[in-house]
Amino acid sequence: AIRMTQSPSSFSASTGDRVTITCRASQDIRNSLAWYQQKPGKAPEFLIFAASTLQSGVPSRFSGSGSGTDFTLTISSLQSEDFATYYCQQYYSYPVTFGQGTKVEIK
Amino acid sequence: EVQVVESGGGLVQPGGSLRLSCVVSGFTFSDHYMDWLRQAPGEGLEWLGRSRNKANSYTTEYAASVKGRFTISRDDSKNSLYLQMNSLKAEDTAVYFCARVQLKLGPPVAYGMDVWGQGTTVTVSS
Repeated sequence: AIRMTQSPSSFSASTGDRVTITCRASQDIRNSLAWYQQKPGKAPEFLIFAASTLQSGVPSRFSGSGSGTDFTLTISSLQSEDFATYYCQQYYSYPVTFGQGTKVEIK
Repeated sequence: EVQVVESGGGLVQPGGSLRLSCVVSGFTFSDHYMDWLRQAPGEGLEWLGRSRNKANSYTTEYAASVKGRFTISRDDSKNSLYLQMNSLKAEDTAVYFCARVQLKLGPPVAYGMDVWGQGTTVTVSS
């Protein structure tokens, strides 16, 4: 199975900050990567697919980049509603696998 | 409105069985791949398996952790997806989610999961 590793596992940031989360795959997954946001007690929300394509309705402050093994999720200006846990997920091969998550907390 | 609703969770003893259901509305269920995922308390997301659509012969895929114990099935006439869980263990305790797979048609390309249910809680304990 392809292992997905996110960094950092958690960090604190302030509203308005530019934040970047990194996801690394244990092997080349081309651009077969998705990002999700999850708030406590809620189902995940689909943010990005194909590494950089924003899902319809997702604010443009979210962006994704990368290919191969290294990927990033960037939030250009953190808003209060963005404090959550973020997961990357590869769909290049079965089994589908997720990163362990990155929790973005309020500083 | 596109909606996915899971049900069937509850308390079950180790070694027992449980069947989860997922009913969808607002989209053509038969066109879509559907996934089951879970999230143990305080943990991350774990993909359990996939049901492909009729056009792809309803074939399934499973995670190694549940293969042979869990079975995914669907009934397109009822817009429903199912997860039969047997030989349950304490480590199967989790919130179980049903999710629609975003699919590019033509040669099918399955992207991520774009619509999720609210989840149903399964607790395996004596």
